[in-house]
Amino acid sequence: DSGVTQTPKHLITATGQRVTLRCSPRSGDLSVYWYQQSLDQGLQFLIQYYNGEERAKGNILERFSAQQFPDLHSELNLSSLELGDSALYFCASSSGTGLEGIYEQYFGPGTRLTVT
Amino acid sequence: DAKTTQPNSMESNEEEPVHLPCNHSTISGTDYIHWYRQLPSQGPEYVIHGLTSNVNNRMASLAIAEDRKSSTLILHRATLRDAAVYYCILQNYGGSQGNLIFGKGTKLSVKP
Repeated sequence: DSGVTQTPKHLITATGQRVTLRCSPRSGDLSVYWYQQSLDQGLQFLIQYYNGEERAKGNILERFSAQQFPDLHSELNLSSLELGDSALYFCASSSGTGLEGIYEQYFGPGTRLTVT
Repeated sequence: DAKTTQPNSMESNEEEPVHLPCNHSTISGTDYIHWYRQLPSQGPEYVIHGLTSNVNNRMASLAIAEDRKSSTLILHRATLRDAAVYYCILQNYGGSQGNLIFGKGTKLSVKP
C-alpha cells in the first residue's frame, strides 16, 4: 500500500460526458502528479501540483483540468469525453517540490476510465 | 531530458538473480537514475535510485558504471511477484519539472 488513494476505481461513462477523478496523497506529501496510461501511448505525465499551485504541465488536453485543494487532495476533471480518453489514470505524490530529482513518487492504484 | 535504453523483455528463473540493464549515454552530471516497476494491474512502484555510487535497499541493488553511462538493477533472488515492467528513468536535480518520463521499460518474466 503506497498510501495514495484514488477514487473511483472504475468509471464507465458515455462520450461527451464529464467526470471527476479524486486523489488523496500520502500524509505530508505536498506534490501531486497525474499520469495517463493507455495501450498505445504508455504512461504519460499530465500535470503536477505543489501545495495548491500548478507546478508543471505535460501532455494534458485542454478538455482536462486539475486542481489541488487546501487539504492537499487533488481532482482531475475530464470533459467532453471521447473514446480515446479511455485509459488508466494514476495519481502520484512526493515529498519534494518536484525540482530536486531525488524524491521518489508514490503511485495510487489508479482509476480505470472507460468511455463508450 | 536524457534518454534511456532498455531491452524490451527478459526472462528469469525463480530464486535466481536478475540483472536488468539500462543505457543512458547522454546522462548529465546532475541526473539521478531512478528505477520503478509496474506489476500487472497496479500503479508504478518506486524501486531504487542513485547518483554515482552503487545503492542497496530491501528491494534491490543499483550498480552504476563508473562513467555513469549505464546502470544495472539487480534483483538478488527473483520471485514470481517480481514479474513486472521495470522502468529506468533519469531525473534531473534542479530541473524545471519533477515529473517522471516513462519509456517502454523491460518486461520481466519469472519462471517457476
